[in-house]
Amino acid sequence: QKEVEQNSGPLSVPEGAIASLNCTYSDRGSQSFFWYRQYSGKSPELIMSIYSNGDKEDGRFTAQLNKASQYVSLLIRDSQPSDSATYLCAVRTSYDKVIFGPGTSLSVIP
Amino acid sequence: NAGVTQTPKFQVLKTGQSMTLQCAQDMNHNSMYWYRQDPGMGLRLIYYSASEGTTDKGEVPNGYNVSRLNKREFSLRLESAAPSQTSVYFCASSEGSVGKTQYFGPGTRLLVL
Repeated sequence: QKEVEQNSGPLSVPEGAIASLNCTYSDRGSQSFFWYRQYSGKSPELIMSIYSNGDKEDGRFTAQLNKASQYVSLLIRDSQPSDSATYLCAVRTSYDKVIFGPGTSLSVIP
Repeated sequence: NAGVTQTPKFQVLKTGQSMTLQCAQDMNHNSMYWYRQDPGMGLRLIYYSASEGTTDKGEVPNGYNVSRLNKREFSLRLESAAPSQTSVYFCASSEGSVGKTQYFGPGTRLLVL
């Protein structure tokens, strides 16, 4: 089992819809969770971090964390073509390493 | 602030050649990292440095060496390049300990023939 798993996609949603990106992790003691966005040919940049169970909202983005289910998700409301990118989930494990998932490719169709 | 800078942007090597990838950050961050990114594999940690003077292996350290020259600079060396090291290499830094938000450089595309 990989330590951090994501659906590779591509995930296609129409403009204005909600995009839902999912991530699961294997280390139950993981403490910190991050979502990075990476445009094609560019470097990753942080969108959100989340540390506690529940939802965290920032503009059109909502991160959801469920430690019991070892699951973290990112919702993008009112999706825009400019949201088309690869989204990387990263997890800080209990042994103090940050592990990245393989990423989910999102395409927002105008 | 330039953030995290990397040189070179692109490099072609022949099998067996050596090279050093340079990385520098001007954010006074303690931790620095080297990753490689291959299609479908996400980011894989090669080496990291939690503070000046310390380095630790990551997930895929074989074939690489690193030097934390000072707080600003963290270099990655390929002693004898192999085609399997063809990849995009990213340097990153974070404030404080490992696990904080990481800031990435623009990347180096390396092709080993």
